[in-house]
Amino acid sequence: QKEVEQDPGPLSVPEGAIVSLNCTYSNSAFQYFMWYRQYSRKGPELLMYTYSSGNKEDGRFTAQVDKSSKYISLFIRDSQPSDSATYLCAMRNTGGFKTIFGAGTRLFVKA
Amino acid sequence: EAQVTQNPRYLITVTGKKLTVTCSQNMNHEYMSWYRQDPGLGLRQIYYSMNVEVTDKGDVPEGYKVSRKEKRNFPLILESPSPNQTSLYFCASSFEAGEPPYFGPGTRLTVT
Repeated sequence: QKEVEQDPGPLSVPEGAIVSLNCTYSNSAFQYFMWYRQYSRKGPELLMYTYSSGNKEDGRFTAQVDKSSKYISLFIRDSQPSDSATYLCAMRNTGGFKTIFGAGTRLFVKA
Repeated sequence: EAQVTQNPRYLITVTGKKLTVTCSQNMNHEYMSWYRQDPGLGLRQIYYSMNVEVTDKGDVPEGYKVSRKEKRNFPLILESPSPNQTSLYFCASSFEAGEPPYFGPGTRLTVT
């Protein structure tokens, strides 16, 4: 069983839709959670970085962590064609220095 | 501009021919690492370095070597490449080990 599970998609939505991307994990020691966006032929870029449970909002993006369910989400409001990319979740535990990545969900936003 | 650079960006080679992929960062980061990305498997760490002359194995180190003689550079060496090392490789760095990694643009390697 992988430490981090992420549905590979693809997920296709119309422009303006609210997108929900999710990951589940098995290691209860994970405390730091990240979302990366990766465009085709590019390196992953950090979108959101959160600690422990709760919500964090940045513009159209909201990251949510539910540690009791070992479940994290990324919501994208008013999705745009430029949001079309692969989204990777990532996490690590306190004091750890290795970041564990999900396999990524491919998102298509249609104009 | 703060960045991680990798060279070459694309490489096609043959089995057994030694190659080096260079990585350099201009952010004075302590921590550097190499990942490979394969469909369905995500990003897997090959090697990491906590500082100059300090390196250690990640999850998939077999067939790879690294060195960290200078803070800014962290080359990945494939002494005898094999077709199962065909992959997309990313170098990443962060100010310290606990910070989110900052990725380079990637190197697509094909070994025939």
